Amino acid sequence: DAGVTQSPTHLIKTRGQQVTLRCSPKSGHDTVSWYQQALGQGPQFIFQYYEEEERQRGNFPDRFSGHQFPNYSSELNVNALLLGDSALYLCASSHFVVAGNTIYFGEGSWLTVV
Amino acid sequence: DAKTTQPPSMDCAEGRAANLPCNHSTISGNEYVYWYRQIHSQGPQYIIHGLKNNETNEMASLIITEDRKSSTLILPHATLRDTAVYYCIVRISNFGNEKLTFGTGTRLTIIP
Repeated sequence: DAGVTQSPTHLIKTRGQQVTLRCSPKSGHDTVSWYQQALGQGPQFIFQYYEEEERQRGNFPDRFSGHQFPNYSSELNVNALLLGDSALYLCASSHFVVAGNTIYFGEGSWLTVV
Repeated sequence: DAKTTQPPSMDCAEGRAANLPCNHSTISGNEYVYWYRQIHSQGPQYIIHGLKNNETNEMASLIITEDRKSSTLILPHATLRDTAVYYCIVRISNFGNEKLTFGTGTRLTIIP
């Protein structure tokens, strides 16, 4: 049973460029959330997708957008990259309707903006 | 979601039980206590969660006080691979809320 998988694992982008990160949820999960973790900090919630719609959003600008596909996989897009966007981007998945459910994380995508 | 307070760091001897405390004095009745750990440069790993009863799984035990204002994560026989940052998170777990709010966690170091 594959867990949460993310790609790419590492990438380097230039300021002003755009980046797309990808996530496949754990088998049986239908909800995907994205987190940003800067060096030395705890993960910060970006947003959550369920039924191909954004359901919750954290305190992140509109440059951060996402998408969920019918097979529950998801993409995180960041436009107009800033140096401060350099971070580990984590994808998490869960089953939406179960109270007390467990949220599982992938290993993350390391983004460096130069 | 309620706030949590954890000590910034702890040491534990290899082979001994590691007891990690967490204070969540403002927890409400429908909030669960979750524990995750993060080994350097990896994604957070789920450990255990509970509502009001003590819980045990293959990784750890979770002891929640009767008033639910604090909890303790117990790793029964700590190994060097348990060295990590441990996060205690309180979360309303119901339809629609999948957000986890991470604090600064406890950096646990297992000493050989």
